[in-house]
Amino acid sequence: GENVEQHPSTLSVQEGDSAVIKCTYSDSASNYFPWYKQELGKRPQLIIDIRSNVGEKKDQRIAVTLNKTAKHFSLHITETQPEDSAVYFCAAIRSGGYNKLIFGAGTRLAVHP
Amino acid sequence: EPEVTQTPSHQVTQMGQEVILRCVPISNHLYFYWYRQILGQKVEFLVSFYNNEISEKSEIFDDQFSVERPDGSNFTLKIRSTKLEDSAMYFCASRTSGGTYEQYFGPGTRLTVT
Repeated sequence: GENVEQHPSTLSVQEGDSAVIKCTYSDSASNYFPWYKQELGKRPQLIIDIRSNVGEKKDQRIAVTLNKTAKHFSLHITETQPEDSAVYFCAAIRSGGYNKLIFGAGTRLAVHP
Repeated sequence: EPEVTQTPSHQVTQMGQEVILRCVPISNHLYFYWYRQILGQKVEFLVSFYNNEISEKSEIFDDQFSVERPDGSNFTLKIRSTKLEDSAMYFCASRTSGGTYEQYFGPGTRLTVT
């Protein structure tokens, strides 16, 4: 069935360091991969996304890479800041359907000053 | 910027009671979704709704759940007889048609079943 695995579950970095979160998906028909940031008690907010016809996308300090062959995609945050501290969820959408999001289990990122 | 809104923000109910969670999607959006998130866990898909009917539902979305778009703006999730395990944050989301997959989430309703 459809599944998205996400690692690590927690990540602690020093301010200014980079953070990398990795996800794998099971459904080869998945074609859209968003990343959401969720602060405590708030809604998931889309921070970056990538489609299956693109290998990498960057937006300022965040970037996402996709390896379709291996069914991996990763979120990279550079020059981390304390305000980056949150739970990050990867997700995948299968093409051809009504586009339900299948979420990973989440990564709690803590950026220490 | 238009946003998805949800009411109430927090609902406390007793086991066995019916609850209705309300959502107002973004006005030109055509696809609507409900997700839930049990405390500390991942967001799980419940149901998608398009063209005034359910397009897909998960195993969680059993006969106790129903959705409705009673008018041109509201989208509701009803739980007929709540159980303790229904306690969770419920998020509504919507998206437009066309080539975009981006879903916009509402702020959520925290449902507590006692």
